[in-house]
Amino acid sequence: EDKVVQSPLSLVVHEGDTVTLNCSYEVTNFRSLLWYKQEKKAPTFLFMLTSSGIEKKSGRLSSILDKKELFSILNITATQTGDSAIYLCAVRDNNDMRFGAGTRLTVKP
Amino acid sequence: NAGVMQNPRHLVRRRGQEARLRCSPMKGHSHVYWYRQLPEEGLKFMVYLQKENIIDESGMPKERFSAEFPKEGPSILRIQQVVRGDSAAYFCASSPQGAGSYNSPLHFGNGTRLTVT
Repeated sequence: EDKVVQSPLSLVVHEGDTVTLNCSYEVTNFRSLLWYKQEKKAPTFLFMLTSSGIEKKSGRLSSILDKKELFSILNITATQTGDSAIYLCAVRDNNDMRFGAGTRLTVKP
Repeated sequence: NAGVMQNPRHLVRRRGQEARLRCSPMKGHSHVYWYRQLPEEGLKFMVYLQKENIIDESGMPKERFSAEFPKEGPSILRIQQVVRGDSAAYFCASSPQGAGSYNSPLHFGNGTRLTVT
């Protein structure tokens, strides 16, 4: 059965901390892995990863994929209160996209 | 270029009534996905449609739920005889190509929040 597992489910940190969010998957016909940030509205796209070992970076956020070990991490450095959100990992196969349950990140001032 | 449009934004139904949720994909997108988000949980896949075809409905309950994406008009997610457990946010996403084509991510609408009283 295809599945996407994110950990931790929730995380509370203080501003300035660095966090690492994890996403492991089991998908039959893997195509790509995507990270989304969900606040009050619809999820907003962060990264799409298709190749192992290539880090994608956007400001304080970065992500990398390991297709051999079937996982990805999302790093956020120097966290800010505005980073508080649910971070969703999704994996695409040939037909569909499967989401993990998300990691709820709370950044305290 | 309008994004994915979902309406209504909020929908209140009494138990036993029908709920109809609409999704207009982005212009040029012919693939639509519906997701349900329960409070404090991530998105759960429900159904994937192309124009006039259901590609994958493995995440949709067998009873009371149905979806369509006609040749003309928006995609509709229909829930008959709603129950309290149907209360959730329902998100629609679209893409110009199927999920197997990984060149573009999905674009999400702002969701419809269904409350069953």
